[in-house]
Amino acid sequence: QKEVEQNSGPLSVPEGAIASLNCTYSDRGSQSFFWYRQYSGKSPELIMSIYSNGDKEDGRFTAQLNKASQYVSLLIRDSQPSDSATYLCAVKGSWAGGTSYGKLTFGQGTILTVHP
Amino acid sequence: KAGVTQTPRYLIKTRGQQVTLSCSPISGHRSVSWYQQTPGQGLQFLFEYFSETQRNKGNFPGRFSGRQFSNSRSEMNVSTLELGDSALYLCASSSIDREETQYFGPGTRLLVL
Repeated sequence: QKEVEQNSGPLSVPEGAIASLNCTYSDRGSQSFFWYRQYSGKSPELIMSIYSNGDKEDGRFTAQLNKASQYVSLLIRDSQPSDSATYLCAVKGSWAGGTSYGKLTFGQGTILTVHP
Repeated sequence: KAGVTQTPRYLIKTRGQQVTLSCSPISGHRSVSWYQQTPGQGLQFLFEYFSETQRNKGNFPGRFSGRQFSNSRSEMNVSTLELGDSALYLCASSSIDREETQYFGPGTRLLVL
């Protein structure tokens, strides 16, 4: 089992729709969860972080965390063509002898395409 | 604040050579992490430095090494390059009060021929 798994893409949604991206993780002690967006040929850009169970909203983006189910998701409302990118879920693992220092574990990413 | 900077942006080397990549973190950030990104393996953690000390290391061979200077700038070195080392190398920095939040630089794209 991979440490961080994302729903396989690619995901294609029409402009204005809601895009739903999902991620599960295996380390039950994980405390910090992130969504990064990566445009083709560019580096990952942080768009959301979430630490507590529930929802966190930032503009058109909503991150949802359920630690009991080891599940984190990202909803993008009113999707725009400029949202077309690869979305990476990243998890900061539990501290175990310092093995989590500076280490984010990433999923493989989900390619999102928003078509006009 | 200026973001994370990495040099060079692109590099072409041949097998057996060595390479040094540089990363300057966001001003005030003392933690620098390095990642390798390939189409097949995705983003994988290489190592992390804080106050000139390596605090964590990923599962990469000893050919991959790094260091950090007193001004928090970091370098990573890959010796005896292999074709499989072709990748985008990313560094990320974080502040002491929000260590888990990492900001990435533009990356160095390394091609090994």
